[in-house]
Amino acid sequence: EVQLVESGGALVQPGGSLRLSCTASGFTFSRYWMKWVRQAPGKGLEWVANIKQDGNEKNYADSVKGRFTISRDNAKNSLFLQMNSLRAEDTAVYYCARVDVFTVGPTFSRTKYYYYYYMDVWGKGTTVTVSS
Amino acid sequence: DIQMTQSPSSLSASVGDRVTITCRASRSVSDFLNWYQQKPGKAPKVLIYAASRLQSGVPSRFSGSGSETDFTLTISSLQPEDFAIYYCQQSYITPVTFGGGTKVEIK
Repeated sequence: EVQLVESGGALVQPGGSLRLSCTASGFTFSRYWMKWVRQAPGKGLEWVANIKQDGNEKNYADSVKGRFTISRDNAKNSLFLQMNSLRAEDTAVYYCARVDVFTVGPTFSRTKYYYYYYMDVWGKGTTVTVSS
Repeated sequence: DIQMTQSPSSLSASVGDRVTITCRASRSVSDFLNWYQQKPGKAPKVLIYAASRLQSGVPSRFSGSGSETDFTLTISSLQPEDFAIYYCQQSYITPVTFGGGTKVEIK
């Protein structure tokens, strides 16, 4: 069964740090981009960070840049999110998600390849609460 | 960043109704548009990718259309299990961004 399981969420004081983990099973983890997406209580979805298959390309939302670090260990089928300098507004459920891609080759109307990325497998989430 | 605006933010409908949700992008995203369904306490689930392609295992009553800045998710005949929040998301450019969500409730 294809599965993602997050862990590491906790109650932490403002300014504190936390490391989230996401363990993958049932698929070849090293073949996929991965993302972290969060959802504040009663709010919508917010992309946090993503990482390429080999870990050599990473992107971050402006709201977390310089404070959060995404990483992965393909040998252990694991994704991580190191969160430092935590703020109250970081309180959320954090989901890890697998990124699948649909590729469209050259056609009559398009002359190059197009890559459509979407999040096809999600974990159940882990809760981070930042409060004193 | 590309802003995604969904309308309505909520709607009430009955089982069997045809439901349409709209998503508008602040600038063109071509057809790099995905739709997700989220039920209370659960993770989101992808329904549609590339604006109109149905994810494997998703019932055919769900369909997506649109391009550039205007997109639609349609549920042809609402079923009890479809009461949820629906989000659009553009994957055209980083940062990927989501719409604010549309809550579909029972009338």
